Amino acid sequence: QVQLQESGPGLVKPSETLSLNCAVSDYSISRGYYWGWIRQPPGKGLEWIGSIFHSGSTYYNPSLKSRITISVDTSKNQFSLKLSSVTAADTAVYYCARGYSYLDYWGQGSLVTVSS
Amino acid sequence: EMVMTQSPATLSVSPGERATLSCRASQSVTTNLAWYQQKPGQAPRLLIYGASTRATGIPARFSGSGSGTEFTLTISSLQSEDFAVYFCQQYNNWPTFGQGTKVEIK
Repeated sequence: QVQLQESGPGLVKPSETLSLNCAVSDYSISRGYYWGWIRQPPGKGLEWIGSIFHSGSTYYNPSLKSRITISVDTSKNQFSLKLSSVTAADTAVYYCARGYSYLDYWGQGSLVTVSS
Repeated sequence: EMVMTQSPATLSVSPGERATLSCRASQSVTTNLAWYQQKPGQAPRLLIYGASTRATGIPARFSGSGSGTEFTLTISSLQSEDFAVYFCQQYNNWPTFGQGTKVEIK
């Protein structure tokens, strides 16, 4: 059973950079698959942020592309998200998941609040 | 952007009854369509991919159908654990989700 766990600050100030890590257990990222980030503002729907292949190839949501960086560290079996110039509209639960098409394994989610 | 529209927003169903949820795409996604279930405070759970293939461990009472722009998720006999929010998601282009259908107890 593939397990994913998000980690990172729960509070980020406006205009700063949001950084999250996703640690993967019981599956080696190097074996393949895309690995992605999805977010959900409180009480709202889901938004795909972007995905990365183990080789480092990335696909980003066009509406967020200018602010996103997703990277992978196969030696630590984890991947990361950086979202720059955050505003209150970026407040959400951030999930990491396996996949680029459909998403079959998800982390439990990490609430990130943007506030001064 | 591919817009996914789900209906109804809320569906009130009695336990044991059949639930039918709809999802419409703004343009054809062929069968590149997935369904997820989300309960309060939990991550989404993959139910269906490829429009009609059940994910590992998903009970047979969940079924998906459709292609092109019109899709349906059917829960044949609702169990207590099925009351939740359901999202559709297309992956024919960069992934986008519907706004969700809440299935509540009637």
